[in-house]
Amino acid sequence: AQTVTQSQPEMSVQEAETVTLSCTYDTSENNYYLFWYKQPPSRQMILVIRQEAYKQQNATENRFSVNFQKAAKSFSLKISDSQLGDTAMYFCAFMSSNAGNMLTFGGGTRLMVKP
Amino acid sequence: SAVISQKPSRDICQRGTSLTIQCQVDSQVTMMFWYRQQPGQSLTLIATANQGSEATYESGFVIDKFPISRPNLTFSTLTVSNMSPEDSSIYLCSVEEGYGYTFGSGTRLTVV
Repeated sequence: AQTVTQSQPEMSVQEAETVTLSCTYDTSENNYYLFWYKQPPSRQMILVIRQEAYKQQNATENRFSVNFQKAAKSFSLKISDSQLGDTAMYFCAFMSSNAGNMLTFGGGTRLMVKP
Repeated sequence: SAVISQKPSRDICQRGTSLTIQCQVDSQVTMMFWYRQQPGQSLTLIATANQGSEATYESGFVIDKFPISRPNLTFSTLTVSNMSPEDSSIYLCSVEEGYGYTFGSGTRLTVV
């Protein structure tokens, strides 16, 4: 079974600075997908970024980028130029088609952006 | 991306009663997923619902407690039966799309 671990329950960052959220996972699969989801107080789950395991290039979406280290099974999220609206819970998630296509989530990191 | 309408957004229920949560998708999707998010916790998959077949439940979840219907490719319901305070959680439905997963806005359930 796949497991996803987020070792930072809470983090804070000053507005306009950069923060990195950590995520590690455990799997015996070779083909899979990794995701970062954001959940603001509204509780809506919002896809931030995704990475295909077969791609060596790290995914980037505007201020959000990942550092994907397949051998180390590490998938960290970097948020640049942090904004107040980035305050939310962030969940790392794993999906493999061999595991039923469902998402396995990490425990989450609560990020607070301070003005 | 798909738009999911999830109802109700919140409810307060008496223990021993049941609540049915609905998710309506604006496009046809093969797989729908139901998650539970207990207070301060992450999301845990309850079951996967495919149209035309019985839902597949994850360990720790049973059909008698969480019956699911999937009558067509755009709609699904999850019922939380014989509720107890331990069932107080956010329940979310989700669908798979080509690039990721889209979630409903969640149902915040409080059992008193």
